[in-house]
Amino acid sequence: QVQLVESGGGLVKPGGSLRLSCAASGFTFNNYYMSWIRQAPGKGLEWVSLISSSGYTKFHADSVRGRFSISRDNADNSLYLQMNSLRAEDTAVYYCSRGGTSEPLDYWGQGTLVTVSS
Amino acid sequence: DIVMTQSPLSLAVTPGEPASISCRSSQSLLHSNGYTYLDWYLQKPGQSPQLLISLVSNRASGVPDRFSGSGSGTDFTLKISRVEAEDVGVYYCMQPLQIPPAFGPGTKVVIK
Repeated sequence: QVQLVESGGGLVKPGGSLRLSCAASGFTFNNYYMSWIRQAPGKGLEWVSLISSSGYTKFHADSVRGRFSISRDNADNSLYLQMNSLRAEDTAVYYCSRGGTSEPLDYWGQGTLVTVSS
Repeated sequence: DIVMTQSPLSLAVTPGEPASISCRSSQSLLHSNGYTYLDWYLQKPGQSPQLLISLVSNRASGVPDRFSGSGSGTDFTLKISRVEAEDVGVYYCMQPLQIPPAFGPGTKVVIK
């Protein structure tokens, strides 16, 4: 069965960095676009980044462009989100999801909490 | 960017009664390939979101047939024919047609 397991969240100071990981299993990882979506406490869903199946094409939301970078390792079935220059407003649960542009987000991980606070 | 809106933002329903949620996009979600890219998600309390419906009306695997989606262009509706207690949560519409993909603000469904 399809499984997506995020890790790497935690407490970080403003201006700090964090790298999130998502381990995928149960499907042919290199056939699918992958996305990161976040949810601030008590708020709705916000798309953050997506990456093509090859890793060649990447998109980021305006709110994170230049600070966050999505990547993947198809040999290791892993998705990553490098987050730099973190701000308080980046505090959220970050979900890894299978799918992307023109594709539904048909599987989601359990999420990993990122808290940016001094 | 495409902006998604939903109404109502909260909905109290009686078990066994129908429910309906409206979603509107600021631009048409009809692609030149003939498909309309509008998806619905449900986030149950304490859980990750789950896909309910894709391409306006295609139920995801395992989704009960009491859920149905309809609409075209910029106006869409999610209907629950007979609400059950397990249907509580926040429902989001989303457009994956254009970058950036965008979610609606969510509609919180509670049981009366």
